[in-house]
Amino acid sequence: EPEVTQTPSHQVTQMGQEVILRCVPISNHLYFYWYRQILGQKVEFLVSFYNNEISEKSEIFDDQFSVERPDGSNFTLKIRSTKLEDSAMYFCASSESRDGYTFGSGTRLTVV
Amino acid sequence: AQSVTQLGSHVSVSEGALVLLRCNYSSSVPPYLFWYVQYPNQGLQLLLKYTSAATLVKGINGFEAEFKKSETSFHLTKPSAHMSDAAEYFCAVSDRRRDDKIIFGKGTRLHILP
Repeated sequence: EPEVTQTPSHQVTQMGQEVILRCVPISNHLYFYWYRQILGQKVEFLVSFYNNEISEKSEIFDDQFSVERPDGSNFTLKIRSTKLEDSAMYFCASSESRDGYTFGSGTRLTVV
Repeated sequence: AQSVTQLGSHVSVSEGALVLLRCNYSSSVPPYLFWYVQYPNQGLQLLLKYTSAATLVKGINGFEAEFKKSETSFHLTKPSAHMSDAAEYFCAVSDRRRDDKIIFGKGTRLHILP
């Protein structure tokens, strides 16, 4: 069964550093998303991406964040100048149509 | 805007007993509804989804959910709980637009008692 692949599974970074979280969506999917889950809390929407541009972004997704689809397969989330409160599990998801979202296994980001 | 309310942040049931996890949604348009499961230190796995076909939806691992428009509910059930069902369960909603995101509830942690 096709999977959404996220790398790395765990990233530790120092406060103030930049991190790039990587995702390989399912190949025929057109819609891409990033979500985050702070430990013990709900899964929160960050951003959706379609046709090489952001479709929608949440209040969380401020200028510190950016997304990119640098080639035909990867979908990245960049977090600049990381803060302690950015520590969370970050999930990538993709969908082909409106009725199915496939999530990756997530990247656990720890900011120290 | 859509929203989801999950009643009970923790639910405990005995092994072999009925599992009932409650979810109520709010949406201005006919929604798509989902249940996801998250095992400890793992990602989100789709259990089942409602997309306007049959109102009783069957999913993986013996789970099912019924869409009730009059009650704006989409409760998740399983006739007989198994120890392996212990996990966090998330109800989610989207409003079917082509590029819309899904909105998650706060989750319900299911504990299975031996």
